[in-house]
Amino acid sequence: ETGVTQTPRHLVMGMTNKKSLKCEQHLGHNAMYWYKQSAKKPLELMFVYSLEERVENNSVPSRFSPECPNSSHLFLHLHTLQPEDSALYLCASSQDPHRTAGSNEQFFGPGTRLTVL
Amino acid sequence: EDQVTQSPEALRLQEGESSSLNCSYTVSGLRGLFWYRQDPGKGPEFLFTLYSAGEEKEKERLKATLTKKESFLHITAPKPEDSATYLCAVYNYGQNFVFGPGTRLSVLP
Repeated sequence: ETGVTQTPRHLVMGMTNKKSLKCEQHLGHNAMYWYKQSAKKPLELMFVYSLEERVENNSVPSRFSPECPNSSHLFLHLHTLQPEDSALYLCASSQDPHRTAGSNEQFFGPGTRLTVL
Repeated sequence: EDQVTQSPEALRLQEGESSSLNCSYTVSGLRGLFWYRQDPGKGPEFLFTLYSAGEEKEKERLKATLTKKESFLHITAPKPEDSATYLCAVYNYGQNFVFGPGTRLSVLP
């Protein structure tokens, strides 16, 4: 257990569905992240929230919409997805990216395996 | 642009056969280099952080080292339970994380 939980663990949806992924961290961290992991490709950073404010978007399609209501919870709202969006979606948290000293290790949740039909 | 490459892409070892995984990087101001282990269908599990050239860290059969251009993950006398994908990532002063593609390790009994 890393202190980061994700639900659901598996999700199958049609291209016209709307669904949401949920992430919760119990580590007292101030930053949370969404990553996409496709087969044989490096982790792709999608969104970063630091102290509940979005700081990075990385040109993610608008069919993905993040929400961070507080420093412990992160959502990824999905609508009108494409089959190529099928992947493992990982949530991570870290202590504080604004620290000027030391690094900022990320701790990951178990992921949501998303299949878009 | 910061980049991370890892080699080999895949590695098969016999149990007890020691080897090393490589992570090469170019980064505009390194704050930290991380190693993670990832089992199939699961999230990456944090292993080590290295901060500066010359630093080494150990955990059980794993030892990570860092130079100014690359990092090595040495696996001594591996066991089948060490089979996983090992990911390297760098964190720069722009507060950006960049992950490598990983090395898929298989340890055969």
